[in-house]
Amino acid sequence: AQKVTQAQTEISVVEKEDVTLDCVYETRDTTYYLFWYKQPPSGELVFLIRRNSFDEQNEISGRYSWNFQKSTSSFNFTITASQVVDSAVYFCALSEEISNFGNEKLTFGTGTRLTIIP
Amino acid sequence: GAVVSQHPSWVICKSGTSVKIECRSLDFQATTMFWYRQFPKQSLMLMATSNEGSKATYEQGVEKDKFLINHASLTLSTLTVTSAHPEDSSFYICSARDWGLSGTGSYEQYFGPGTRLTVT
Repeated sequence: AQKVTQAQTEISVVEKEDVTLDCVYETRDTTYYLFWYKQPPSGELVFLIRRNSFDEQNEISGRYSWNFQKSTSSFNFTITASQVVDSAVYFCALSEEISNFGNEKLTFGTGTRLTIIP
Repeated sequence: GAVVSQHPSWVICKSGTSVKIECRSLDFQATTMFWYRQFPKQSLMLMATSNEGSKATYEQGVEKDKFLINHASLTLSTLTVTSAHPEDSSFYICSARDWGLSGTGSYEQYFGPGTRLTVT
């Protein structure tokens, strides 16, 4: 069975500080995908990144960066120079390999509520 | 980019009535759609996987007779909460996988904006 753990329930940081959100996953699959989503107060999920299990390169997108460590089954997300607009709930998710049939399910972590204090 | 819409965005209904929520993929074909439920301050829990033209696959613990899912076309899936009760009040989110034409899509899963259901 797949499992995603986000141990940090809530985090508060002062604006402009860096913050890292942790994600640890469990799966028996050799091929899988990891995701991060942002859910602002409006409720709509915003896709941030997808990473497949064979690509362990870290990724940077503006102020966002992701560190994928297969050895520790972690896929952590760092926001640099945080801003108030970053305040949201962030979910890490895991799915098995996407096949042509497309029935692969996403398993979500419990989310981390991030509050950026102005 | 791919867009998934949900209608209505919010609904209030009386206990015992039924409510239908629509999920549409606006600019792509989706053979597979997923329905999630999210209680306040909790994670998204998958309720069922909906495949166009066939019966939905429900997750363990989800009552299929209470949560009726119909995926009649490549762009529309509906979730009907039958005989709703206050404990069904929740945020319902659908997602659709971009299958494209004959499997040539991106296979990405796109989420709708959600429907907030309140049962009084």
